[in-house]
Amino acid sequence: KAGVTQTPRYLIKTRGQQVTLSCSPISGHRSVSWYQQTPGQGLQFLFEYFSETQRNKGNFPGRFSGRQFSNSRSEMNVSTLELGDSALYLCASELGGTYQETQYFGPGTRLLVL
Amino acid sequence: AQTVTQSQPEMSVQEAETVTLSCTYDTSENNYYLFWYKQPPSRQMILVIRQEAYKQQNATENRFSVNFQKAAKSFSLKISDSQLGDTAMYFCAFMTFTSGTYKYIFGTGTRLKVLA
Repeated sequence: KAGVTQTPRYLIKTRGQQVTLSCSPISGHRSVSWYQQTPGQGLQFLFEYFSETQRNKGNFPGRFSGRQFSNSRSEMNVSTLELGDSALYLCASELGGTYQETQYFGPGTRLLVL
Repeated sequence: AQTVTQSQPEMSVQEAETVTLSCTYDTSENNYYLFWYKQPPSRQMILVIRQEAYKQQNATENRFSVNFQKAAKSFSLKISDSQLGDTAMYFCAFMTFTSGTYKYIFGTGTRLKVLA
């Protein structure tokens, strides 16, 4: 099975712009979670989508949003970028819906905001 | 609030030696899962080992084993016969699944360097 894929792998944007990141989960996985990883804050949970619905949400401002499509692919959007949004954005997929599962991470998208 | 604490920001170990990474957590939940993830430099994060809280037996995966002390809320990772490829950032994580939603909380990580 192919692993979790994320596109693009690297992105440079300027303050005020918006960005969309994409995540394709492992085939058959219905849950996709997004994380922000920074040196100072570590991994912070953004949100999780399951069957096209946001099921869980972390403590991030409304500038961060996401969606999931019927094929379980997910996108994350950040509007009005700030310098502090520079980070590695990871997505993780899992089967979803049951308790005994493990998340599988993608390689991440490294976003640099100038 | 649920928290995960990794008190060792950096560690080093000689090749072939054994090293233990510590992790403590705080929760009022009784059912949860604990994980150790490895993130090598510029590479993908991968699962090293997982432990179900209801299991008393410590999980093992080849050279990796955990010491799970539920009462003390401690979940340390032991790496035996350390190899250069073990050099990575290690994250301890805690997961609960309640009322149809789940939550993952990660520690801040321990950077492990295996020395030749």
